[in-house]
Amino acid sequence: DAGVIQSPRHEVTEMGQEVTLRCKPISGHDYLFWYRQTMMRGLELLIYFNNNVPIDDSGMPEDRFSAKMPNASFSTLKIQPSEPRDSAVYFCASSLSRVTGKTYGYTFGSGTRLTVV
Amino acid sequence: QQQVKQSPQSLIVQKGGISIINCAYENTAFDYFPWYQQFPGKGPALLIAIRPDVSEKKEGRFTISFNKSAKQFSLHIMDSQPGDSATYFCAAREKAAGNKLTFGGGTRVLVKP
Repeated sequence: DAGVIQSPRHEVTEMGQEVTLRCKPISGHDYLFWYRQTMMRGLELLIYFNNNVPIDDSGMPEDRFSAKMPNASFSTLKIQPSEPRDSAVYFCASSLSRVTGKTYGYTFGSGTRLTVV
Repeated sequence: QQQVKQSPQSLIVQKGGISIINCAYENTAFDYFPWYQQFPGKGPALLIAIRPDVSEKKEGRFTISFNKSAKQFSLHIMDSQPGDSATYFCAAREKAAGNKLTFGGGTRVLVKP
């Protein structure tokens, strides 16, 4: 399994531009999570989906942020318009709802480092 | 509101020493406590995890100690190696909240050779 795949790895954009981050979860995982990581705030949960349905988007900072999961193998996080304070590393993670084996946990992607100038 | 408090923010340990990271929580509905390890430029990766009905779990050089009454748990890294230098996050899951994990603030560990 290739794991959780995120693209792009790095994104530099100008303030006011639209940014779209992409995520392909592990096949068969029924939960998908979007996190943002900054030095100041650590790992923040933005939104998560269960079976492609958004369950909790209370962590989405503003209406400028939106996320979709059109099918089980793809999700996007969009920022429009982007601002310098959105600069962070954005992680996607997926998991199973049921415990398998000895542990349950998320599998994180490698993240997208977003810089808004 | 920080539901999982992690300390210290950073620590330096000599090779062969013991690294200890502590976490505390308030929500008694948490039912699963994983630890994640993150290297620079990578996403966090599951390291070891424990359920509250167990007081200790050991996997290789990594041990979780869990104190349910105190609502605290800790990660011990025995015989610390330079390759263990990373940021460590504790987390807690509330199953009723859709398997959502709440993360601590992270501890940056540096193991000096």
